[in-house]
Amino acid sequence: DAKTTQPTSMDCAEGRAANLPCNHSTISGNEYVYWYRQIHSQGPQYIIHGLKNNETNEMASLIITEDRKSSTLILPHATLRDTAVYYCIVRADWGAQKLVFGQGTRLTINP
Amino acid sequence: ETGVTQSPTHLIKTRGQQVTLRCSSQSGHNTVSWYQQALGQGPQFIFQYYREEENGRGNFPPRFSGLQFPNYSSELNVNALELDDSALYLCASSLSGGSTDTQYFGPGTRLTVL
Repeated sequence: DAKTTQPTSMDCAEGRAANLPCNHSTISGNEYVYWYRQIHSQGPQYIIHGLKNNETNEMASLIITEDRKSSTLILPHATLRDTAVYYCIVRADWGAQKLVFGQGTRLTINP
Repeated sequence: ETGVTQSPTHLIKTRGQQVTLRCSSQSGHNTVSWYQQALGQGPQFIFQYYREEENGRGNFPPRFSGLQFPNYSSELNVNALELDDSALYLCASSLSGGSTDTQYFGPGTRLTVL
């Protein structure tokens, strides 16, 4: 079972920041938070990951709360091409390191 | 840098047949993981291969099997196909033992079982 909880769907206006929340209250000390997105019928695309510090790359920013029980993925200037299902995944840094996907959040960017 | 590729893109089989799906990992990667994604669901982990050995398996029956070759490419074989095997099959490659072992996915193979 997925160890994360995400809203089923969200809407955001084009050009605005999209903030996608994720709860992972049972996260362990050695588990990372990963974000992927999947545009219809394509393979999941890696976005960003972090352990406890906030992270930023060319695609997004990841804000992890101090207790690590929740996080937020921020797309700073959403475009129509950001419409996708976004998956928040908690994954250990040892073993087979499988990704356990939940249902994700369906993000729709509106013009 | 070459990304993860999969073949074929689409495939139609009938119940009881066998199928082989192929995956070429991203250059520099040594680990391949396979996932099954049914319509409307998130991907489900099938198994992972590292150094040509199975390195973890999800809740899939033995008729799902795999191989990894010395060049780190991989095959997924499914015997005695059932209607419920219709899905998008995804492979992901990663570098185990490196500074990061993020999994990068290929475009998938859409399998339809009639």
